[in-house]
Amino acid sequence: SQTIHQWPATLVQPVGSPLSLECTVEGTSNPNLYWYRQAAGRGLQLLFYSVGIGQISSEVPQNLSASRPQDRQFILSSKKLLLSDSGFYLCAWSLDRGSPLHFGNGTRLTVT
Amino acid sequence: AQSVTQLDSQVPVFEEAPVELRCNYSSSVSVYLFWYVQYPNQGLQLLLKYLSGSTLVKGINGFEAEFNKSQTSFHLRKPSVHISDTAEYFCAVIPSGGSYIPTFGRGTSLIVHP
Repeated sequence: SQTIHQWPATLVQPVGSPLSLECTVEGTSNPNLYWYRQAAGRGLQLLFYSVGIGQISSEVPQNLSASRPQDRQFILSSKKLLLSDSGFYLCAWSLDRGSPLHFGNGTRLTVT
Repeated sequence: AQSVTQLDSQVPVFEEAPVELRCNYSSSVSVYLFWYVQYPNQGLQLLLKYLSGSTLVKGINGFEAEFNKSQTSFHLRKPSVHISDTAEYFCAVIPSGGSYIPTFGRGTSLIVHP
């Protein structure tokens, strides 16, 4: 069966520090991959999605970037964190249009 | 483009009472519909989905939803809620053709009181 791993679960980083969040999917190949951010008390904001290795689409201009170095690996990065980058980050995968997204357990990022 | 409206940001209810969480969508193309649940500090978990066929869809944890094409709605229901159902619920749509990007509603917080 397919599983998704996202780490770390929690992270506290100072303003201006770099960020790297990693997400891997097991048990499937060529998944669509997504990064979402959820601010406190708000809905889901799509940050990036990828339909294949090296193919990244950005939904909002911001301080973050994403990479997909391997088929089932999706990385969210920042060179210098801002206070506004705090939030709950969720990675997800799907296969085709009719299939739902499957989410990881999320990373709680606090920028201090 | 699609849009999803969850009409209630918060729904308080007593334990063992029935509940309905409302979801309306707008789309120029056919869509697939989903409901997710999110417990505190966790990811989203799929409750149920509608792709085609019977308009009444049953999901996990005793939830069901009914697709109404004429009213462009996909309301989620449970006949008797438990304290453990307290969570955030999200409705989502994906176009049946074109983009792989789902559109999520802003969520409804279900609060079950003893």
